[in-house]
Parts: sequence; C-alpha cells; structure tokens
Amino acid sequence: EDQVTQSPEALRLQEGESSSLNCSYTVSGLRGLFWYRQDPGKGPEFLFTLYSAGEEKEKERLKATLTKKESFLHITAPKPEDSATYLCAVRPPQGGSEKLVFGKGTKLTVNP
Amino acid sequence: DAMVIQNPRYQVTQFGKPVTLSCSQTLNHNVMYWYQQKSSQAPKLLFHYYDKDFNNEADTPDNFQSRRPNTSFCFLDIRSPGLGDAAMYLCATSLVVGDTQYFGPGTRLTVL
Repeated sequence: EDQVTQSPEALRLQEGESSSLNCSYTVSGLRGLFWYRQDPGKGPEFLFTLYSAGEEKEKERLKATLTKKESFLHITAPKPEDSATYLCAVRPPQGGSEKLVFGKGTKLTVNP
Repeated sequence: DAMVIQNPRYQVTQFGKPVTLSCSQTLNHNVMYWYQQKSSQAPKLLFHYYDKDFNNEADTPDNFQSRRPNTSFCFLDIRSPGLGDAAMYLCATSLVVGDTQYFGPGTRLTVL
C-alpha cells in the first residue's frame, strides 16, 4: 500500500532557528508531491507542487525540495506566524488510484 | 480573488437530523472534492465530481451523499448524522483530477 510518512510529528523551534520537515514516500513513479500549510480550524493552504527529483521551489522563508524517495520543507529563520501543521500529499503513479495520499502532518510551533 | 467558499463555517446538528453543507468555487475548476478531517488526522477523501461524473470512495458510508447542480456548487448531504460524523468537512477543487487541489476554509460539524 502506498504510504506517506512525515517526520517529526511535532517540532518546536525558537524564532530564527532554521530547520527542515521531512516527507518520505513509498510510491514509485509519483506524478506530483504537494505541500500544504494548515492553521487550526482552517482548510489546508496550498504551498508547493513538485514533480521530479531535483526540483526545488521557494516562497518567502520556505523552500521545498524533492528526491526520489522524500521531500524536505526547509524553513529558514522562522517566525511565530509560521506556526502551523504542514501536510504533504503525493499523487500515485499512472494506472493507480487518482486519490492523493496524505501524510499525517508535522505540527510546527515557533516560539518568539 | 478566485476562491473556494464553504458555508456555513460552523454547523451544529442533532443526532439523526439531516444536514447539508455547501461549497462554491470561482476558480472554474472541473473537479470538486469532499474530505472529512478529524482532529490531528490527515484529510480523508469521501468522493469527488469530475464535471457531473460522481466518484465515490469505497469506504465512504452510505450516510454521505453529494450533489453538484452546476460547475460552481457542490453539496454534501449527511442523511442521519451520528456522533462519529463530527469533524471538519473540507471542500477542494482542481482543474483536472490529480492536479493541485485548492481547499476551502472548511465547515466544522458538531453532532449533539
């Protein structure tokens, strides 16, 4: 069964303390990996889509990278407003279900 | 701004009393999805529409139904809500199946 595993489950950082969140997957031949940010009580907010190993995308303090088995969401000099749960999801390969497979998320807390 | 809108944001219903949640979109996307998300869990896909074609997930209870009267609107009907149906219900859209999904703010359903 296709699996997406996010680690750590929870991460506490001090403001300005850079770190990375991990999303590893067992899907081979995936057709897209998506990162979302979700604030408490709200719907997920789209951040990035990555399609191929070696691809990188950036937005403000966030940078997403993709290898053949995992993706990283790097957070540089985070601020308290970056506190949220970060979800990744993968689109399985051709011929399989079109349903996105979500990880359980990493809850990030950035302390001032 | 193009967006996905959900109404109401909070819904309280009684055990067994039918309830309808609403989703509308101004993105002109072909696909609309309904997800159920319980606390600290990943979103769980219930079903999706590609245009008027309805696609039900195998493990979606019969208690859950959906209608899409036109491109812009989609409804989630819960015929006889049980206590276990209390959750956040998320609507999402994408241009085509498997493409990046854009989520609405969600409807928090409470069942008394």
